[in-house]
Amino acid sequence: LAKTTQPISMDSYEGQEVNITCSHNNIATNDYITWYQQFPSQGPRFIIQGYKTKVTNEVASLFIPADRKSSTLSLPRVSLSDTAVYYCLVESGGSNYKLTFGKGTLLTVNP
Amino acid sequence: GAGVSQSPSNKVTEKGKDVELRCDPISGHTALYWYRQRLGQGLEFLIYFQGNSAPDKSGLPSDRFSAERTGESVSTLTIQRTQQEDSAVYLCASSTYGESGNTIYFGEGSWLTVV
Repeated sequence: LAKTTQPISMDSYEGQEVNITCSHNNIATNDYITWYQQFPSQGPRFIIQGYKTKVTNEVASLFIPADRKSSTLSLPRVSLSDTAVYYCLVESGGSNYKLTFGKGTLLTVNP
Repeated sequence: GAGVSQSPSNKVTEKGKDVELRCDPISGHTALYWYRQRLGQGLEFLIYFQGNSAPDKSGLPSDRFSAERTGESVSTLTIQRTQQEDSAVYLCASSTYGESGNTIYFGEGSWLTVV
């Protein structure tokens, strides 16, 4: 499994764009990159997934450079309710079911 | 059901007692996972099931922990002779077998407190 490295914490203010970068130097050809969000006292929930270049949905964008050794989750115009822990997960589809999460990034959005 | 369901949502037990935690995955999901999360900590992988089989049990913390899955559906995580360090939230998740990566859907967790 590709090991991931993320900042432990980040601070931001309401209305700002927040970019959280995850390093995964040992990513394999078949690996996908998935980001999850976890609020206190809740299970993590899926945000976005990508393989290369850029993926965008109604919540976030995911930027993946050509070498795929890192990825950046971009949250536009954050609000207080975006305060949460964000996990980057790198894994391949199919039969690779042992999914190990890193420590995540605690994003704190301030008023 | 619409999502992953776990029960009980909260459990307080005395040290030394056995507990069973139940997970109902999303219907049709072939993979099922158990994670443990201590207060303020990250997700600790415990075990996963592919169908009813658990190919890798190395994440279970000790032989007091066991898990089973039946009918490629419900799973039970059993902790025998609970200890205070077992206090945590136990999260279950399920996913589909897919070529484009696994998207995992988590339940809300079972909060276990050992007193």
